[in-house]
Amino acid sequence: EAQVTQNPRYLITVTGKKLTVTCSQNMNHEYMSWYRQDPGLGLRQIYYSMNVEVTDKGDVPEGYKVSRKEKRNFPLILESPSPNQTSLYFCASTYTTSGRVDEQFFGPGTRLTVL
Amino acid sequence: GENVEQHPSTLSVQEGDSAVIKCTYSDSASNYFPWYKQELGKGPQLIIDIRSNVGEKKDQRIAVTLNKTAKHFSLHITETQPEDSAVYFCAASSGSFKTIFGAGTRLFVKA
Repeated sequence: EAQVTQNPRYLITVTGKKLTVTCSQNMNHEYMSWYRQDPGLGLRQIYYSMNVEVTDKGDVPEGYKVSRKEKRNFPLILESPSPNQTSLYFCASTYTTSGRVDEQFFGPGTRLTVL
Repeated sequence: GENVEQHPSTLSVQEGDSAVIKCTYSDSASNYFPWYKQELGKGPQLIIDIRSNVGEKKDQRIAVTLNKTAKHFSLHITETQPEDSAVYFCAASSGSFKTIFGAGTRLFVKA
């Protein structure tokens, strides 16, 4: 089954404790992206990756890191989480056709609480 | 920076009525305009999209219109059903691979 998986689905942590949220897709998509969803703000792009070893900042990259060592995986790293990073996080992937982004396939989300 | 404004934030309609959600974008380079539906506890899922070389697209009860001159696009749902109740997001993306989403519209369809 074609899908995007994220782990963990729920996480409660404390300020300053490094964490990683994993994202994996089995559709051979070149493009992967991370978003955070907050009430009234919709989905805001954190980082995206056009292919292996190619990443770029979205609109809200501060406090986050990403890496793209393999095509299928795109982990999101919070080196020193703070309470304002409490949010619902989504990973997404898609093909890029002739340099354009197509339909994005979203994972089920990771609800992160930073105390 | 680029942004996408979406209205209304909440919409309540009677079953069988039509629902219209409107979005305005700022980046004139935007060329792809998808609409996503998010049900409770799930990730967004594409319901319809339109590219900049097309003015209108329809898929059964759902249609999207695009006015590039005015930089706005709209989602139209006809004959609404209770299962249409969800949060809807519009988005705009350009060749830079960035995607900007609207803030979302919570649609309630009353039976």
